[in-house]
Amino acid sequence: DGGITQSPKYLFRKEGQNVTLSCEQNLNHDAMYWYRQDPGQGLRLIYYSQIVNDFQKGDIAEGYSVSREKKESFPLTVTSAQKNPTAFYLCASSIETSGRDEQFFGPGTRLTVL
Amino acid sequence: GQQLNQSPQSMFIQEGEDVSMNCTSSSIFNTWLWYKQDPGEGPVLLIALYKAGELTSNGRLTAQFGITRKDSFLNISASIPSDVGIYFCAGLPLNYGGSQGNLIFGKGTKLSVKP
Repeated sequence: DGGITQSPKYLFRKEGQNVTLSCEQNLNHDAMYWYRQDPGQGLRLIYYSQIVNDFQKGDIAEGYSVSREKKESFPLTVTSAQKNPTAFYLCASSIETSGRDEQFFGPGTRLTVL
Repeated sequence: GQQLNQSPQSMFIQEGEDVSMNCTSSSIFNTWLWYKQDPGEGPVLLIALYKAGELTSNGRLTAQFGITRKDSFLNISASIPSDVGIYFCAGLPLNYGGSQGNLIFGKGTKLSVKP
């Protein structure tokens, strides 16, 4: 089945540690995105990538880093510089086709800093 | 930054009732998307709208792209228990010229079952 997978589902980290969240898609989508969701809030864009080896900062990129070495993979690293990293992280992808803006989401990773 | 105002924030439904929610903005949008999110899961796309005035259905769900291009509405007819969840609107502002990294999300409408 085609889709977006995120792993792990739950992640615990100690303060001061970097942690990497995985996102993989087999939809052959060009664009991929990372969002952060806090309780009672809408989704906020962290980073996005429209093509391999290229990515742009979203609204809340500070304390995060990404890479896009392969079309199907877009890992997110939450660094120790992120002051409040506990949140639900969502990865999404979309076809890079003019006029179509539909983004499809993975199941999410819940990160808790202990 | 640009914002979407989604209302109501929450609502209680009784099985069989019709439900309405909406999103508004002070800016013009050229795309409206509606998603549903179950607890602990990622949002699932319900309906996509691309033209002002467009009315699109997906089963018991109907969404409309407002004529002014500043709002969108989602209606659920004859609600059932599995409709419970959080519904998000998302829009692409006109001035972003179609850049896909710039969807703006509302804060969601939480649908619960009346006790």
